[in-house]
Order: sequence, then structure tokens, then C-alpha cells
Amino acid sequence: EDKVVQSPLSLVVHEGDTVTLNCSYEVTNFRSLLWYKQEKKAPTFLFMLTSSGIEKKSGRLSSILDKKELFSILNITATQTGDSAVYLCAVPGAGSYQLTFGKGTKLSVIP
Amino acid sequence: NAGVTQTPKFRVLKTGQSMTLLCAQDMNHEYMYWYRQDPGMGLRLIHYSVGEGTTAKGEVPDGYNVSRLKKQNFLLGLESAAPSQTSVYFCASSYATGGTEAFFGQGTRLTVV
Repeated sequence: EDKVVQSPLSLVVHEGDTVTLNCSYEVTNFRSLLWYKQEKKAPTFLFMLTSSGIEKKSGRLSSILDKKELFSILNITATQTGDSAVYLCAVPGAGSYQLTFGKGTKLSVIP
Repeated sequence: NAGVTQTPKFRVLKTGQSMTLLCAQDMNHEYMYWYRQDPGMGLRLIHYSVGEGTTAKGEVPDGYNVSRLKKQNFLLGLESAAPSQTSVYFCASSYATGGTEAFFGQGTRLTVV
């Protein structure tokens, strides 16, 4: 059975802090790993990682994948209150049609 | 630029009632999905479709039925609602599988009393 474990489950930081969110996975026939940000409503796509060791960046957010150790991290530098959200990690399952999601990390950024 | 649209956004049902949730996408995506999201459980796949006229079961299909009569629409039905089906339901679509980006609707908050 495919498994995605995220840690921590929740995190409270002050504006300006740097945070690292973790995602470990067990999946048959790995294809990719995806990060989503969920504020009040729909999850919105952040990154898709397929290759080990290659960092993806978008502004203050970056992510990297380690296929040997089966994990990914999402870094957010100089956090802002607008970064407060649940961050979800997901991998496609063996049949590749469905995404198996982790339970998410709830990030709260306080002024 | 609608993307994925779900209706309704909120609904309260009595136990035993039936309802249909509608998902429409305007991106010409082949693949569509219904997820439910519960506190502490993450997103779990209910049913999915790999093309018009096809449907398949996901992780938690019991108590739900789906239909994909048109490529742009994916319907989720509850024949006899139960309190355990109280949840937030998300529809998503993608142009391919293998973990390509899925686009999500805004969600339907369903309460069964």
C-alpha cells in the first residue's frame, strides 16, 4: 500500500522565519512527487518533482527530492502571514491514476 | 477562466436522502477525480474517470456512485446519505496521469444530519 507521511503536522512560526516541511513516501514504481498549498478552499499546485537532487524554486518557496532516501522537503524562506496554509504532499499510486496524499502540514505564520 | 467548477458549494442533507454533486471542467482534461477531505485524514480518492463513459473505484468508494456521460462533467451521487459522509468533497481534473498537476474545484461542504 502506498504511503505518504508528512511532518510536522502543524507548525507555528513568526514572520520572517524560515521553515522546512518534510514528506516521506513509500510507493511502488515512483514517478513523481507533488506539493500543494491549501488555504481555505481548493488545493493549488506548487511543484512537481521527478528527479533526485534537483531543486525547484518559486520565489521564496523551494523543494527538493531525494529518491534514494524517499523523501522531499519544502522550504519557505522569509515567511509571511500569507504563507499560512496547509501544505500537502502527494505521490501517484501504482496504477498512476490516483494521488496518495499525506495528511498535510498546517503552517501558521504570526506577525 | 473557470477551470474546475463544483456545485453546490454547501448542502445539508438528512440521513437517507439522496443528492448529486456536479463537477464541470473546461480544460478538455481526460482524467477526473472525486476526493473527500476529513480532519486528520487528508484527501482520499472516492472514484475517478480516465475518459468519457468510464469510471473506476478509488480508495473509499462505498456509498457513492459516479457517472461521466460527457467529457467535461463528472457527477458524484449519494443514494442514501449517512452521517459518515459528512465531509468536504473536492473534484479534480488532469490532462494526464503519472502525477501530473491536478486542478481542483473549490469544494462542496456536505453535512448529513
